[in-house]
Amino acid sequence: EAGVTQFPSHSVIEKGQTVTLRCDPISGHDNLYWYRRVMGKEIKFLLHFVKESKQDESGMPNNRFLAERTGGTYSTLKVQPAELEDSGVYFCASSPPWGSGELFFGEGSRLTVL
Amino acid sequence: QKEVEQDPGPLSVPEGAIVSLNCTYSNSAFQYFMWYRQYSRKGPELLMYTYSSGNKEDGRFTAQVDKSSKYISLFIRDSQPSDSATYLCSLSGGYNKLIFGAGTRLAVHP
Repeated sequence: EAGVTQFPSHSVIEKGQTVTLRCDPISGHDNLYWYRRVMGKEIKFLLHFVKESKQDESGMPNNRFLAERTGGTYSTLKVQPAELEDSGVYFCASSPPWGSGELFFGEGSRLTVL
Repeated sequence: QKEVEQDPGPLSVPEGAIVSLNCTYSNSAFQYFMWYRQYSRKGPELLMYTYSSGNKEDGRFTAQVDKSSKYISLFIRDSQPSDSATYLCSLSGGYNKLIFGAGTRLAVHP
């Protein structure tokens, strides 16, 4: 069974540009999460989808970040316009609907803003 | 003050050593305690998960939680070079929103 997949694995953009990160969760996992780790900091929660609905978006840093999960399948995280401080690794995770407590993480999308 | 404090290391030990990794936390609302392992350029993977105070053992790994002291530990017995990774403690008040420590980088040398 395929794990959580994320694309791209690495993106280098200039300040002010737009980047869209994609996450494909494990099939059947209703819960989808975005986390990120900026340089020298802890991995921090961004938001949580249950199917296509945003359950908790308290970790989204500002309105330059937009997350969507169309049809309750894959999710995208768009950063527009990107700033230098957005550089880091963005992790997507998913978990099954019965809430086992285990989150399955993807390998992350590394974002570098120049 | 951070919600979770974890020494980032690095920690270097010889093969076969017992490794002790620790985190302290400040919020008594945390109910779930986890340890994730992260290899370089990979995502975190769940290693140990516990709900209550006490010990939980899985092979060479033992997770320990002391809610009264707000202190959690992970012990690795007979450490192997393949254990070289970053170990992240993670806490949650529910299943979904995890609070991570900074991660401790462990190197086990032959």
